[in-house]
Amino acid sequence: DTAVSQTPKYLVTQMGNDKSIKCEQNLGHDTMYWYKQDSKKFLKIMFSYNNKELIINETVPNRFSPKSPDKAHLNLHINSLELGDSAVYFCASSPTGTLYEQYFGPGTRLTVT
Amino acid sequence: GQSLEQPSEVTAVEGAIVQINCTYQTSGFYGLSWYQQHDGGAPTFLSYNALDGLEETGRFSSFLSRSDSYGYLLLQELQMKDSASYFCAVRPQGGKLIFGQGTELSVKP
Repeated sequence: DTAVSQTPKYLVTQMGNDKSIKCEQNLGHDTMYWYKQDSKKFLKIMFSYNNKELIINETVPNRFSPKSPDKAHLNLHINSLELGDSAVYFCASSPTGTLYEQYFGPGTRLTVT
Repeated sequence: GQSLEQPSEVTAVEGAIVQINCTYQTSGFYGLSWYQQHDGGAPTFLSYNALDGLEETGRFSSFLSRSDSYGYLLLQELQMKDSASYFCAVRPQGGKLIFGQGTELSVKP
């Protein structure tokens, strides 16, 4: 009974391609996030949505486009992939008002060759 | 600007007590969270301090001093399964968490 799920778990692709990562949470939370974790394990927020509305966009290149069709889903589409996009991407969710306690998905390891 | 400092690595033996410190500098501050992440796994929430003092949850405790911009995570009765990375994260103004670089804890037998 997974709380926050992501697909795919692994993604290997070539530079210049476009790819998407999907995220779903069944916790009933209003807020969802995308994080990027680099090879040094630095975890940085990219986007945050509250009830399908974008509330945080952390100066991410516009090749990255999030989309939230409903409050249980948050997808990430990446255009024209670059080598530097290789990282682990985590989706997370939290109830509104308790963003300090976030529930993370298992992560998607993206490798761009 | 906003910054967090925590040690990059800590090593301890089974059964011991270890403290992982975190100092922060932020514009606005609501509280300090701690997360655990095993290799290949997802970060999982451990604790949150909004007020000064010690919060205890089983073998783990977390402390905050707002006046010193400092907190720590205390792990007691260390077990091998506690080997993981531990992240402090501050909640400044703006509705997000800022994570530290993480402390890799190695527990030896």
